[in-house]
Amino acid sequence: AQSVTQLGSHVSVSEGALVLLRCNYSSSVPPYLFWYVQYPNQGLQLLLKYTSAATLVKGINGFEAEFKKSETSFHLTKPSAHMSDAAEYFCAADFGNEKLTFGTGTRLTIIP
Amino acid sequence: DAGITQSPRHKVTETGTPVTLRCHQTENHRYMYWYRQDPGHGLRLIHYSYGVKDTDKGEVSDGYSVSRSKTEDFLLTLESATSSQTSVYFCAISESGQRNTEAFFGQGTRLTVV
Repeated sequence: AQSVTQLGSHVSVSEGALVLLRCNYSSSVPPYLFWYVQYPNQGLQLLLKYTSAATLVKGINGFEAEFKKSETSFHLTKPSAHMSDAAEYFCAADFGNEKLTFGTGTRLTIIP
Repeated sequence: DAGITQSPRHKVTETGTPVTLRCHQTENHRYMYWYRQDPGHGLRLIHYSYGVKDTDKGEVSDGYSVSRSKTEDFLLTLESATSSQTSVYFCAISESGQRNTEAFFGQGTRLTVV
């Protein structure tokens, strides 16, 4: 079955430290992949998307993600965490069926 | 920001009563979606629409119905609300169903069924 898995429902990092949020997909054909961010009491906002043009994708707010077909992964990274990065992050995939399948989300906490 | 308005933003209702949530867009996008967000489950698709009067079920459609009589409006109805339908509901829109098309989300509706 096609699915998206996010490892770690909660991640805490110190301000200025590397942020790494993990996302893996299950599919025989690589999907289009997305990372969304949700701030408290708000809707989801697109951070970045992979559409097969390049495996390293840069997004807003200094985030980037690398698509690795061999690992079926699309991990999100940011070199230096900022307090404003505290939010919930969702990985999502379009498996070619006109809709997005979401992972269960990772809540990112930044430690001052 | 994409022009998506969800109403109401908050609602408390009693078990067994019908409830309708509205999603209104000003972007003229073809696709509209209803998701529910629950802790530990992420966002799960309830129903979606790919045009006026064209709708299809998502993975958690039981107990929900939808209607789309105009491009700009997508209604989600809980015919007889149950406590298990307490959730945050998000509407999303996209220009097409193509795989590289971004989805834009509304602010959400927090529904509590007591």
